[in-house]
Amino acid sequence: DTEVTQTPKHLVMGMTNKKSLKCEQHMGHRAMYWYKQKAKKPPELMFVYSYEKLSINESVPSRFSPECPNSSLLNLHLHALQPEDSALYLCASSQDHGLTEAFFGQGTRLTVV
Amino acid sequence: KNEVEQSPQNLTAQEGEFITINCSYSVGISALHWLQQHPGGGIVSLFMLSSGKKKHGRLIATINIQEKHSSLHITASHPRDSAVYICAVRDQGGSEKLVFGKGTKLTVNP
Repeated sequence: DTEVTQTPKHLVMGMTNKKSLKCEQHMGHRAMYWYKQKAKKPPELMFVYSYEKLSINESVPSRFSPECPNSSLLNLHLHALQPEDSALYLCASSQDHGLTEAFFGQGTRLTVV
Repeated sequence: KNEVEQSPQNLTAQEGEFITINCSYSVGISALHWLQQHPGGGIVSLFMLSSGKKKHGRLIATINIQEKHSSLHITASHPRDSAVYICAVRDQGGSEKLVFGKGTKLTVNP
């Protein structure tokens, strides 16, 4: 199993809603990542978890709250988002950080209305 | 100036043509990744390189560490190769961060 599975694939939410994005991998990878990608732009790193601990937060607004309940799961909790937060949210994982290949999920297409 | 520069930004080819996409970077790196992204979709890792050359099917990736340059070649291109190809590097410190190029949009016409 070399997949990173993200759910849902599409999400439309209002600015007052609370929702969560989920990411799952069963490759035994110990580093997991959230990226945000706007149209025609490269992905931007949001968070990195290494061995289930948050190791990088790229100054992401607190309306995005990551959670790593175990080594296979990564969540991104969303609350009070703005329309400009609409984007493709990508999850990735790697064996460890550094010299290891990154595997990406298919992404969640988020629209904030 | 971006740390990772790709060229060309857009590339249109006829089916069967040999394709080359270039990536130059300005920092010392521990690894370079070539990624593929189809429209509206997730990202697929094609190669991770730290030296030399790798081949997978019709895809070949090379890297010249001294010149800070990598190329991705596609032989016998096919319309299904149409996608955005992204170069990303990891810095020498083995950072968890990938620095991405802006991508090359490839369109292969039948």
